[in-house]
Amino acid sequence: AQSVTQLGSHVSVSEGALVLLRCNYSSSVPPYLFWYVQYPNQGLQLLLKYTSAATLVKGINGFEAEFKKSETSFHLTKPSAHMSDAAEYFCAVSERGSSYKLIFGSGTRLLVRP
Amino acid sequence: GAGVSQSPSNKVTEKGKDVELRCDPISGHTALYWYRQSLGQGLEFLIYFQGNSAPDKSGLPSDRFSAERTGGSVSTLTIQRTQQEDSAVYLCASSPIKAGGSETQYFGPGTRLLVL
Repeated sequence: AQSVTQLGSHVSVSEGALVLLRCNYSSSVPPYLFWYVQYPNQGLQLLLKYTSAATLVKGINGFEAEFKKSETSFHLTKPSAHMSDAAEYFCAVSERGSSYKLIFGSGTRLLVRP
Repeated sequence: GAGVSQSPSNKVTEKGKDVELRCDPISGHTALYWYRQSLGQGLEFLIYFQGNSAPDKSGLPSDRFSAERTGGSVSTLTIQRTQQEDSAVYLCASSPIKAGGSETQYFGPGTRLLVL
């Protein structure tokens, strides 16, 4: 079965610093990978997704992620954190099969210090 | 345009009562998913509907949980004889025609269920 591991339940950075949120997946076939963001008391919003077109994927709000097959990773980065980036971030893999349901990591809460 | 809507936004119920949660997907989206978000289990898949195909119920945690989708649009998730462990946020998502799993799933704001 596919699984997703997000290292670090909490990540704290200073405003203006680099943001790096880690995601590793296990999959026997090339997966589709997603990063979603959840603001307090809201649903999930797609940041970006990897669908095998390009290994470096750019998303909304200045985020990007790089698919590295050799490392089975899909880490999320942003060069300069903003206070508004404080939220919970979820990495997910789309399970191939009949439903393409999303399998989520446990999430990483990003704290941005002024 | 209008996104996925869910109602109610919050629901408090007593243990043993039945509850119904509603999801209105984005117009034209044929795929609809229910997920549950809880402190102990994180985000987990519950059930999937796609057009007129038989739903994928593999994520439903017990036979107290059921869901239907009428007319290929609105979906209702029903929990019978609620238990305290059912307390969670129930998220609905929809996506356009399936083409291999790369489609974005668009999520609603969720229904926060508290079972006392």
